Amino acid sequence: GNSVTQMEGPVTLSEEAFLTINCTYTATGYPSLFWYVQYPGEGLQLLLKATKADDKGSNKGFEATYRKETTSFHLEKGSVQVSDSAVYFCALSSPGGYQKVTFGTGTKLQVIP
Amino acid sequence: EPEVTQTPSHQVTQMGQEVILRCVPISNHLYFYWYRQILGQKVEFLVSFYNNEISEKSEIFDDQFSVERPDGSNFTLKIRSTKLEDSAMYFCASSEDWTDPNTGELFFGEGSRLTVL
Repeated sequence: GNSVTQMEGPVTLSEEAFLTINCTYTATGYPSLFWYVQYPGEGLQLLLKATKADDKGSNKGFEATYRKETTSFHLEKGSVQVSDSAVYFCALSSPGGYQKVTFGTGTKLQVIP
Repeated sequence: EPEVTQTPSHQVTQMGQEVILRCVPISNHLYFYWYRQILGQKVEFLVSFYNNEISEKSEIFDDQFSVERPDGSNFTLKIRSTKLEDSAMYFCASSEDWTDPNTGELFFGEGSRLTVL
């Protein structure tokens, strides 16, 4: 079945540091890949997505590239801010549909001034 | 901006009691979902619902669980007889479509935290 593995947190960074959160997946076919973010006290929000190999999703300075050869979708940001403190979830959905999204365990990011 | 709303935000119940979690999906969405997250664990798919019937459910969604769209705006998750292991954050989500990557995005509510004592 489908599965997502992401690095365990918490990750603590100083403001303006470079962020990488690793994510690898197991799936049949060509899934769509996502990063969701959960800010304190809020629901899950879609941060970015990529629907086919070599696509790069980007939003709010975050980027992730769909790497089929390494089955990875690592999240990166060049310079984090305190407001980026949140839990980040890597996720995938089966080809052709978003009906059943499979999530990773989430990585908590704390950015300190 | 349209959003998915959930009530209650937190519910505490005794083991064996019935619980109903409520969700108001985005008004023009046709596909509805429940997910749950046990503390410290993954967000897990429970069930999807379309055209007034369940379209897919996970092995977690056993006979103790049911979903309903009673009035065209609400989407409810009922747990008939709660167990300690049902304690979790329950997320409702809706989408416009699930086959089109451009319109299939899931929009999640803020979650309802259920604590079973």
